[in-house]
Amino acid sequence: AQKVTQAQTEISVVEKEDVTLDCVYETRDTTYYLFWYKQPPSGELVFLIRRNSFDEQNEISGRYSWNFQKSTSSFNFTITASQVVDSAVYFCALSEVGGTSGSRLTFGEGTQLTVNP
Amino acid sequence: DTAVSQTPKYLVTQMGNDKSIKCEQNLGHDTMYWYKQDSKKFLKIMFSYNNKELIINETVPNRFSPKSPDKAHLNLHINSLELGDSAVYFCASSQDFRVRQETQYFGPGTRLLVL
Repeated sequence: AQKVTQAQTEISVVEKEDVTLDCVYETRDTTYYLFWYKQPPSGELVFLIRRNSFDEQNEISGRYSWNFQKSTSSFNFTITASQVVDSAVYFCALSEVGGTSGSRLTFGEGTQLTVNP
Repeated sequence: DTAVSQTPKYLVTQMGNDKSIKCEQNLGHDTMYWYKQDSKKFLKIMFSYNNKELIINETVPNRFSPKSPDKAHLNLHINSLELGDSAVYFCASSQDFRVRQETQYFGPGTRLLVL
């Protein structure tokens, strides 16, 4: 069975600090896809990034960066110079095997990030 | 333009009632999903439909019945509501269920509270 673990339940930082959210996954698939979603206090789920298992290049988007390491089955997310608006619950997710069963997302438990002014 | 929309946003009802949540997507996607987020924020898939056909049916009580009148709509009907049904229900859509790399886009969620 596939599994996603976000060991950090809550993180609290002060504005402008850098923060890294950890994500570790388990899968038997050789091809798989990983995602990060953000859930701000307003409640919606916002897609941030998708990464496939063949591409281990790190990705940067503004203050956000992602570090994918297949050897350690990790897909960590770093926010540089955090801002109060980054306060949210962040979910890491793994896309399960398709075929007749269809594609589904297995989510981690989420990390509540609080950025204090 | 709203990509995935859900109504209502909030739903407060008594135990034993029957209620429905509606979902619509204007992304032209073929596959739609229902996820449940419990009080601890854990998200779990309930159902998925592809072009009106049921694809995924997790171990969800029979009181929950999804209905897809067309590929742009996926409604969730819940009979005989119980206290444990209180949660946030998210609808999502993606282009094709067979393609694992497809991103799922979520609606704003429906917050259901059963009293």
